[in-house]
Amino acid sequence: GNSVTQMEGPVTLSEEAFLTINCTYTATGYPSLFWYVQYPGEGLQLLLKATKADDKGSNKGFEATYRKETTSFHLEKGSVQVSDSAVYFCALTELQGAQKLVFGQGTRLTINP
Amino acid sequence: NAGVTQTPKFRVLKTGQSMTLLCAQDMNHEYMYWYRQDPGMGLRLIHYSVGEGTTAKGEVPDGYNVSRLKKQNFLLGLESAAPSQTSVYFCASLRMGNRGSETQYFGPGTRLLVL
Repeated sequence: GNSVTQMEGPVTLSEEAFLTINCTYTATGYPSLFWYVQYPGEGLQLLLKATKADDKGSNKGFEATYRKETTSFHLEKGSVQVSDSAVYFCALTELQGAQKLVFGQGTRLTINP
Repeated sequence: NAGVTQTPKFRVLKTGQSMTLLCAQDMNHEYMYWYRQDPGMGLRLIHYSVGEGTTAKGEVPDGYNVSRLKKQNFLLGLESAAPSQTSVYFCASLRMGNRGSETQYFGPGTRLLVL
């Protein structure tokens, strides 16, 4: 079946540091890939997405590229801020059927000033 | 638009009690989902619905029932709560479109504690 694996957390960085959160997936066919973010006490919000190989999703300074050859969708940001502290989830969804999301386990990110 | 709302925000139950979680969306979305979030495990799909009057099992359906009598509402029921159902429950709805525009919108969550 389909699955998503994220790097283990938690991750703690200083403000303005470079961020990478690794995500790899296993899927049949060509799923769409997503990064969701969950701020403390809130639900999940879509951060960015990509729907085909070599697509790059971007939002709020975050980027991720759909790499079919390595089945990866790593999240990056060049200079993190304290306000980026949150839990980040990588997910995939199948093209057909009910568009069910399959999530990674989440990575808690803390940015210190 | 309120988006996706969930009721209640927090609840404490005793083992064996029953309750219903309500999810409502005002975006006219066809698809709705219930997930549970547990530490270190991400979100797992409990049940989902692809339209009014239809429901289907997800990855972890045991101990839960659902109903979708109205398009805007999706109810999650626990008939006899167990401590293993202590979790945070999220509802989501889906806006369908051309491939690349599928987006699930999430509610704020319901925190459930079963003693």
